[in-house]
Amino acid sequence: AQKITQTQPGMFVQEKEAVTLDCTYDTSDQSYGLFWYKQPSSGEMIFLIYQGSYDEQNATEGRYSLNFQKARKSANLVISASQLGDSAMYFCAMRERSGTSYGKLTFGQGTILTVHP
Amino acid sequence: EADIYQTPRYLVIGTGKKITLECSQTMGHDKMYWYQQDPGMELHLIHYSYGVNSTEKGDLSSESTVSRIRTEHFPLTLESARPSHTSQYLCASSEYTDEQYFGPGTRLTVT
Repeated sequence: AQKITQTQPGMFVQEKEAVTLDCTYDTSDQSYGLFWYKQPSSGEMIFLIYQGSYDEQNATEGRYSLNFQKARKSANLVISASQLGDSAMYFCAMRERSGTSYGKLTFGQGTILTVHP
Repeated sequence: EADIYQTPRYLVIGTGKKITLECSQTMGHDKMYWYQQDPGMELHLIHYSYGVNSTEKGDLSSESTVSRIRTEHFPLTLESARPSHTSQYLCASSEYTDEQYFGPGTRLTVT
């Protein structure tokens, strides 16, 4: 079964607008971590933001915030004031902390974000 | 800024050749990982290591092998490259914090 699901293959947003990228996850662990990475066309993976399952506040990093809804098992990324340089592929990932999956990241399928001027 | 390096960045090689993709990190991280990613697709973990002389296979079966003789070095080897091995290979490392730092990747094309 898919552990991380990103249902939006592609998203478009106007420059300076906000955009939300969806991510849902599936785990039976109580302790886990959720990540968002950005992958530009050059191929490298850039860490954006992290949310721990026990964190009570939603994570924020500059223009990035994570809308964490634990009961719904969703961890959506919100990018405020989009910039042309935000155009890239975005991956949601989960790190489980128990059993044989300890420490390993499982990635979603990715969402391609295109920012229009 | 993360200090994790991969060489070569791009490699075009013929079928049957032996290749080694290099990955090094200067952060002293115990945990290192190799991912395989086809264009526009998700990353799949193929190997990981939790320290020197420790290597494990990941979630995606791979014909490649890895070694971890030194903390900072985690090379990946394909004994006989095939066109099906054409992909991007990403190396990552992490320490006690959750974040994995990624290298720039190696784009491999096997003709």
